Order: sequence, then structure tokens, then C-alpha cells
Amino acid sequence: EVQLVESGGRLVQPGRSLRLSCAASGFRFDDDAMHWVRQAPGKGLEWVSGITWNSGSIYYADSVKGRFTISRDNAKNSLYLQMNSLSVEDTALYYCTRDNGGNSIDYWGQGTLVTVSS
Amino acid sequence: DIQMTQSPSSVSASVGDRVTITCRASQDIRRFLAWYRQKPGKAPILLIYGASSLQSGVPSRFSGTGSGTDFTLTISSLQPEDFATYFCQQAYTYPLTFGPGTKVDLK
Repeated sequence: EVQLVESGGRLVQPGRSLRLSCAASGFRFDDDAMHWVRQAPGKGLEWVSGITWNSGSIYYADSVKGRFTISRDNAKNSLYLQMNSLSVEDTALYYCTRDNGGNSIDYWGQGTLVTVSS
Repeated sequence: DIQMTQSPSSVSASVGDRVTITCRASQDIRRFLAWYRQKPGKAPILLIYGASSLQSGVPSRFSGTGSGTDFTLTISSLQPEDFATYFCQQAYTYPLTFGPGTKVDLK
């Protein structure tokens, strides 16, 4: 059974940093591209960042480019999102997700909540 | 970036109804289109990918059509668990983008 378990979300002040983690299990992690997708409270889905299986290609939404860094450790079956210079607009539930091989998302974690507020 | 729009933004329906949702891309995305269902408080689930391919385990009452810029998701006979919000997503190019969602609620 595929499982994606996010952690690291919490209340943080504007301008601060936070690192999200995602522990993957139930599939060959190093076979698949992965993405972070977020959802602000009561809002729609926003793709944040994606990374190929070998970290050879990395992509970001314009809204986070230069502030967020995606990475993965295939030996630890883990995905990460380093978030710097956080703003209130980054407040959202952050989902760790698996790419189905065609840039669609076939598995989602339950999300970790990031709240940016003073 | 490719902009995705959906219509309607909400629809009221009854169990057993046929429901159709439309998604439009701002440029040609061929058949690189996915549909998701999200229930309140839950993560989305993939229903359709490649515009018309049914994801494993998804009931056959869900179907998708379209190519280029215009796509539809049809639920042939609405079930109680289908009262939810539906999102389309273009998988053609980065940045990946989602539609704003269509909420299906009880008439």
C-alpha cells in the first residue's frame, strides 16, 4: 500500500523558514517523480514544486521560486521542501504527492498544515 | 503559464443524476488532462488521467472526454459519495496548473 506521510508543518512568523518532510513507503520511491501541492484554507489546489526520480530536473511555481527548495533522499525514501522567507500567502495545507509517470498525481498524503502569522 | 477554467463553479444534483463538468485550457494541451475528486477534509483522489483513462479502482460511472483545449468529466449516475469538489489539472507542461474547482452538492 502506497503511503505518503508529511511532517514539519506548524505556526511560523512571516520571514522565517520551515522544512517539510515526507516519508514514502509501499512503492519504489526512486522510480517516481514527486510533487508538493498546497491548498490554502477554503481554496483550490496549487502545484508548488516537482522533482524527477533522480533529482535531475526540478520545477517550481513562480509564487515560490527563489524561496522554496525541493529535494529528495532516495536512500531514505524521503521528500523535502525547504521554505524560506515565508509570507502569510504561504499559509496552506501542503500535500506530498506521487507523479503517475505522466505529470498527473496518483497518490496524495494527508497533508501538513503551515500557518504563517505574526 | 497555462490557465485552466471550469464550469459550472457549482452544480446542485440528486442521487442518480447525470452530471457533466467542463474544463478549458488557455492553450492546446493535447490530452494531458487529469480529473480529481476531493471530499471535505480529505486529500484529492485521481479519477481520470490522459483525458479519458480511468484510474485503477475508480468506478466506471466516471468518464472523461476531450482534447486540445476543451474537456469534460461525466458522472453517469451520481452516488452519495460523489458530493464533493472536482478539479481538473493540465499535465502538459510546467508549471502544472489546476482549475478552480466545481462543487457538486445536494439539490
